[in-house]
Amino acid sequence: DADVTQTPRNRITKTGKRIMLECSQTKGHDRMYWYRQDPGLGLRLIYYSFDVKDINKGEISDGYSVSRQAQAKFSLSLESAIPNQTALYFCATSGDARKTNTDTQYFGPGTRLTVL
Amino acid sequence: GEDVEQSLFLSVREGDSSVINCTYTDSSSTYLYWYKQEPGAGLQLLTYIFSNMDMKQDQRLTVLLNKKDKHLSLRIADTQTGDSAIYFCAETRGGRRALTFGSGTRLQVQP
Repeated sequence: DADVTQTPRNRITKTGKRIMLECSQTKGHDRMYWYRQDPGLGLRLIYYSFDVKDINKGEISDGYSVSRQAQAKFSLSLESAIPNQTALYFCATSGDARKTNTDTQYFGPGTRLTVL
Repeated sequence: GEDVEQSLFLSVREGDSSVINCTYTDSSSTYLYWYKQEPGAGLQLLTYIFSNMDMKQDQRLTVLLNKKDKHLSLRIADTQTGDSAIYFCAETRGGRRALTFGSGTRLQVQP
């Protein structure tokens, strides 16, 4: 969905490097999410944010940090990358279910990260 | 904790119907979703159903929900090669909870 963009789309880095993945959205949504996808494991939630001042850990937050710089921007950082963080990373957004009556999430195209 | 399970793989012939199944454990689930992921792409919402519904039909797609058994299915009629993708079911209670995804079912459509 072009309303949710991720940069970079591909990144190869070395163990121990700090990496930042960025996500921007033009959907005007309050809620933003970061997932990683590994083969056979589906999507696992890393962090999520329900508004600029509301950030929550997901099921696999260790080794990651996030920053919600604005309503439209949510970045994911790997402070010291390790090989098992090699994965496909997705950003997603959703409106407030109390207003939209659904938690439908809209996904970015993904960032393929390889840690050597 | 909450869990969503799907079979990993389904192969069908073009023109046949496909049925992808999903089970979930959270009896408080309010919304249930089906997403499609094509190779090299992000997830695209196909359809969703509220927990107070048993069935939802949208063109070639039929979603069936058995709330008693916590079972969700997606039927694709007249399956085409362009339907080849990974299909994820997901659930949430809404409010402050994020979605919980299944591991995905890879649908292969043979000509």
